[in-house]
Amino acid sequence: AQTVTQSQPEMSVQEAETVTLSCTYDTSESDYYLFWYKQPPSRQMILVIRQEAYKQQNATENRFSVNFQKAAKSFSLKISDSQLGDAAMYFCAYRPWGGAQKLVFGQGTRLTINP
Amino acid sequence: DAEITQSPRHKITETGRQVTLACHQTWNHNNMFWYRQDLGHGLRLIHYSYGVQDTNKGEVSDGYSVSRSNTEDLPLTLESAASSQTSVYFCASSINTGELFFGEGSRLTVL
Repeated sequence: AQTVTQSQPEMSVQEAETVTLSCTYDTSESDYYLFWYKQPPSRQMILVIRQEAYKQQNATENRFSVNFQKAAKSFSLKISDSQLGDAAMYFCAYRPWGGAQKLVFGQGTRLTINP
Repeated sequence: DAEITQSPRHKITETGRQVTLACHQTWNHNNMFWYRQDLGHGLRLIHYSYGVQDTNKGEVSDGYSVSRSNTEDLPLTLESAASSQTSVYFCASSINTGELFFGEGSRLTVL
């Protein structure tokens, strides 16, 4: 079974600085999706970024980018120019390419932004 | 705008009572999911459905059931609520090639 591990329960960063959240996963599949979701205090789950495993280029969305290392099964999220609104729980998630559509989530990393 | 809504947003119940959490989506997505969120566990899959009349068990399905009589709705039923089922419950939907879209969550407290 696929598993997703986020080894950092909590992280903090100074406003305007850069922070990287770690995620590793275990799968025997060659094609799959990876996601980062953000959960602010409102509890809403918000998609931050997605990566298809067949794409060698790392995904980017404005200040958010990933470092996808397929061989190492690593999928870290980099947040540049951190803002107070980035404070949230961040979840890494894995989904197989075909067949089952369900996501497997990591345990989450709580990110605090210090002003 | 298309959306996914959950009700109730907050509920307090007693041990042994039957509880149903509603989930309704207007995206016409085939796939629907129920997750529970607990501290230290992230989100864990309870049940999921790939279409009308289709339901499947997730990793933490004991004590829960779902039914899918139409595309829009996937209600989650706790047959006999237990304190261990105190949690935040999320419904989500998706198409086959996309990410999951989540509802706002339902906080359930079982006393």
